[in-house]
Amino acid sequence: LAKTTQPISMDSYEGQEVNITCSHNNIATNDYITWYQQFPSQGPRFIIQGYKTKVTNEVASLFIPADRKSSTLSLPRVSLSDTAVYYCLVARSGSARQLTFGSGTQLTVLP
Amino acid sequence: DAGVTQSPTHLIKTRGQQVTLRCSPKSGHDTVSWYQQALGQGPQFIFQYYEEEERQRGNFPDRFSGHQFPNYSSELNVNALLLGDSALYLCASSLRGNSGTEAFFGQGTRLTVV
Repeated sequence: LAKTTQPISMDSYEGQEVNITCSHNNIATNDYITWYQQFPSQGPRFIIQGYKTKVTNEVASLFIPADRKSSTLSLPRVSLSDTAVYYCLVARSGSARQLTFGSGTQLTVLP
Repeated sequence: DAGVTQSPTHLIKTRGQQVTLRCSPKSGHDTVSWYQQALGQGPQFIFQYYEEEERQRGNFPDRFSGHQFPNYSSELNVNALLLGDSALYLCASSLRGNSGTEAFFGQGTRLTVV
């Protein structure tokens, strides 16, 4: 599976839009890009999944350029409760049963 | 609809002992996967169970074993505990026929080995 690289940490302020970029240079044709969120002492929670272009749900947007070698998770108007670790994963279709996590990005939202 | 539930939430064991952790998957899910998450690291895949059999295994020694019951619940057993086994153990459930990449995680069991 393609290795992902994302920033170790990011700080933001309440109300701002946060963009977390992930690189996955060796992504394969049938790989999806998936993001999970994890709060301390809780299990990860699925945020969004995409294959190409743009995907939006009630929580976030995911932007994927045509070459798919990177992706950007966008969180609109963050609040203090968005402080968490965000993981970018590259996963084959149907691979929810065996996910490969990196170290993630610690997002800290400041008042 | 109950999500994934794990028990116990916290556990303290002594080196050399054995431990059993339990997981009930989300209603309707048939596959259970176990992960180990050390402090400051992302979850690492241990193994997955489907139809009461271990289907895939990560890079973990045989001290780690599991079981899945007919009702899809699962247990993770760790023998001969080492200090390095101290971690958050996460259970995730999914539906085998699902083409997506969404798994549902429990809140985990915090295991401390002293």
